[in-house]
Amino acid sequence: AIQMTQSPSSLSASVGDRVIISCRASQGIRNDLAWYQQRPGKAPKLLIYAASHLQSGVPSRFSGGGSGTDFTLTISSLQPEDFATYYCFQDNNYPQTFGQGTKVEVK
Amino acid sequence: EFQLVESGGALVQPGGSLRLSCTVSGFAVGDFFMAWVRQAPGKGLEWVSVLFTGGITYYSDSVKGRFTISRDSSKNTLHLQMNSLRVDDTGVYYCARDASTQGLPLDFWGQGTLVTVSS
Repeated sequence: AIQMTQSPSSLSASVGDRVIISCRASQGIRNDLAWYQQRPGKAPKLLIYAASHLQSGVPSRFSGGGSGTDFTLTISSLQPEDFATYYCFQDNNYPQTFGQGTKVEVK
Repeated sequence: EFQLVESGGALVQPGGSLRLSCTVSGFAVGDFFMAWVRQAPGKGLEWVSVLFTGGITYYSDSVKGRFTISRDSSKNTLHLQMNSLRVDDTGVYYCARDASTQGLPLDFWGQGTLVTVSS
């Protein structure tokens, strides 16, 4: 199975900060990479698909980039509702796999 | 509006069995790939299984041979039959629509059902 490794595992930031989360795949996955946001006690929410496509209804402060093995999720100006855990996810082949998550906390 | 509602979670002893259900409204389960994802307490997300429209299934190595995914199109419901349950199967189980054939991954999710495996 393809291994997905996120960094950092957690970060502390303030409202208005620019935040970048990285995700690396153990083998090339083209642009078959999604990002999810999960708030405590809630189901994950799709933010980005195909590495850089913004899901309908998701604020434009979220953006994704990369291809092959290295990907990023950027939040351009962190908002209070963005404090959550973020997961990358490869849908290149089965079994599909998630990264271990990055928790974005209040500084 | 799409809605996915999981049910069937419970406390079960190690070695026991449980069947989870995911009742869908707003689209037909037979028209999309459908998946299960789980999350152990305080841990990350783990993809578990998928059922293709044509009936092909895939499982994670951790559940292969013990879990079976299926659907009942007449009731628009997805199921996960879990046998030989282990303590490390404990967690919240989510069903999700896999729209890979349309270029989208897991795009709609239920709220989850809790499975606790403990003696």
